Amino acid sequence: ETAVFQTPNYHVTQVGNEVSFNCKQTLGHDTMYWYKQDSKKLLKIMFSYNNKQLIVNETVPRRFSPQSSDKAHLNLRIKSVEPEDSAVYLCASSYRGLEQYFGPGTRLTVL
Amino acid sequence: QQQVRQSPQSLTVWEGETAILNCSYENSAFDYFPWYQQFPGEGPALLIAIRSVSDKKEDGGFTIFFNKREKNLSLHIKDSQPGDSATYFCAARNGNEKITFGAGTKLTIKP
Repeated sequence: ETAVFQTPNYHVTQVGNEVSFNCKQTLGHDTMYWYKQDSKKLLKIMFSYNNKQLIVNETVPRRFSPQSSDKAHLNLRIKSVEPEDSAVYLCASSYRGLEQYFGPGTRLTVL
Repeated sequence: QQQVRQSPQSLTVWEGETAILNCSYENSAFDYFPWYQQFPGEGPALLIAIRSVSDKKEDGGFTIFFNKREKNLSLHIKDSQPGDSATYFCAARNGNEKITFGAGTKLTIKP
């Protein structure tokens, strides 16, 4: 049963465009995350956010930014996409940093 | 620097055999080790987890064996079925800090 929802499922865009991905969790969790999963299935955390603190992985380019309206939503914006941004973006949530629950992912293809 | 290492990268076993997936870590402060299962087109899902105070955890046909002194653990999948074919991620966490994922093992069960 899905409790972490992501939209869209897929997105194809051109280099330089801006994209935005949505994530919503209905678990009542207090922390949300964005991960990037590359073609080799490697999972790399990009951001973690609760209502008190945003933690950014220092290797994430500045064109990526998280946007949150409340603790149930954490969107991801990419200001000017580049070819190396092609990947699956996974949203997850947890309560007090315990077990993480993942959404189905958004597959981004940059042409 | 990869703090959580998994081997093998890919594994093929026959239906009914026990599949053994290995994981080792460097940070002796890690105290919680979840395993995630990911099917194609889906996000990772928590499968089973163990805390460092235990040396074994069983759940159905899945068993984690943990060796704190050697800083390694393994996931055994007993009587494996084609439906168990997936990518398995070993992960580790220190207290309330972020989870560190391994690179995954792609498991294929041949009927």
